[in-house]
Amino acid sequence: GIQVEQSPPDLILQEGANSTLRCNFSDSVNNLQWFHQNPWGQLINLFYIPSGTKQNGRLSATTVATERYSLLYISSSQTTDSGVYFCAGNTGGFKTIFGAGTRLFVKA
Amino acid sequence: GAVVSQHPSRVICKSGTSVKIECRSLDFQATTMFWYRQFPKQSLMLMATSNEGSKATYEQGVEKDKFLINHASLTLSTLTVTSAHPEDSSFYICSARDLSANVLTFGAGSRLTVL
Repeated sequence: GIQVEQSPPDLILQEGANSTLRCNFSDSVNNLQWFHQNPWGQLINLFYIPSGTKQNGRLSATTVATERYSLLYISSSQTTDSGVYFCAGNTGGFKTIFGAGTRLFVKA
Repeated sequence: GAVVSQHPSRVICKSGTSVKIECRSLDFQATTMFWYRQFPKQSLMLMATSNEGSKATYEQGVEKDKFLINHASLTLSTLTVTSAHPEDSSFYICSARDLSANVLTFGAGSRLTVL
């Protein structure tokens, strides 16, 4: 099956700082998504981004499908951005596989 | 947007009892739903794919007799943890894909504690 590698595994930011999270796939993927898991465990869809670039407020994401990676940008980070960020995708079947996540803590 | 409702959010049970968790797609139909398990500070592990009107497909290493899945309608899938033991304590999360938007949406999760 596909392998999903996320980096960095942990990240501590000062409020207001910017960051880039990366997701590498071992094979071509479909339906790539970025999720944020809040402290209560709820997974929130941030982006559905199989290719190209999307922006939503302070967040943006870019997927380069031909090179099997995706990036999530967080600008002007806030304490509420803390949590775990996951990327996930599938290879044409129904099963969606998750990376190990990036655990982000934003300090006030 | 697509909403997936999951309950109970928290459940505590005694060893040997069975616990049922429900997952509903509220504003879309889902022929396929997915059940994940998450241990503390770890990623989501796919347990099984729930198929409406047919048997679930279990991932390798997941006991189908321990984790019974029923997908009786296009909006409801249930996961029953049978004869629960403390090692079954975990966070269980269901999801479904809204095909109109092709977005995988998750329920809020169910935290199971087996005493």
